[in-house]
Amino acid sequence: QQQVKQSPQSLIVQKGGISIINCAYENTAFDYFPWYQQFPGKGPALLIAIRPDVSEKKEGRFTISFNKSAKQFSLHIMDSQPGDSATYFCAARGGSEKLVFGKGTKLTVNP
Amino acid sequence: DSGVTQTPKHLITATGQRVTLRCSPRSGDLSVYWYQQSLDQGLQFLIQYYNGEERAKGNILERFSAQQFPDLHSELNLSSLELGDSALYFCASSVGSGRGDEQFFGPGTRLTVL
Repeated sequence: QQQVKQSPQSLIVQKGGISIINCAYENTAFDYFPWYQQFPGKGPALLIAIRPDVSEKKEGRFTISFNKSAKQFSLHIMDSQPGDSATYFCAARGGSEKLVFGKGTKLTVNP
Repeated sequence: DSGVTQTPKHLITATGQRVTLRCSPRSGDLSVYWYQQSLDQGLQFLIQYYNGEERAKGNILERFSAQQFPDLHSELNLSSLELGDSALYFCASSVGSGRGDEQFFGPGTRLTVL
């Protein structure tokens, strides 16, 4: 059973555009929602994270929007750049230290 | 660079064999986590150790085992290897075992089973 569903599987955006990746979860015990960025040949790196007591968190060009009632959260990348081309994973954790990951979104930003 | 090191970077072996993957956590981190990444299953949590003790278990097969040594490095042992075990294996570390701790991932070991 996949506890965190991520979409789309792949995304192509033009430079300067907005990239949006969505995730949905079922487990209401989740209380920590990080996003990871992974470049080819590298391990995932924490990009930004949110807890359900806030509806939005912004760090530079990256914003997480969180909708607790809908059990959904999303990553917005503003002014997308070719250097943002990577695979993005949403994740969730709650009740234990175990992180549950979405299946990833491969983002390509065309110059 | 996350500060987490993993060796080897690549490993090619045959079915039925046994391999050991090694992870050194960031300085000061007490927790080590192991993950398996494959194309069809994504990133799957395998097991966590905190200061030498097993803390949490995920989708780890009985053919797989891990341990964390007194110097806090960890090893993941994979035995009776099957073709389906081919994957990227990541180690991550965090300061404590608390739910608020950020996990830092190593560069991974790519295992190919032929």
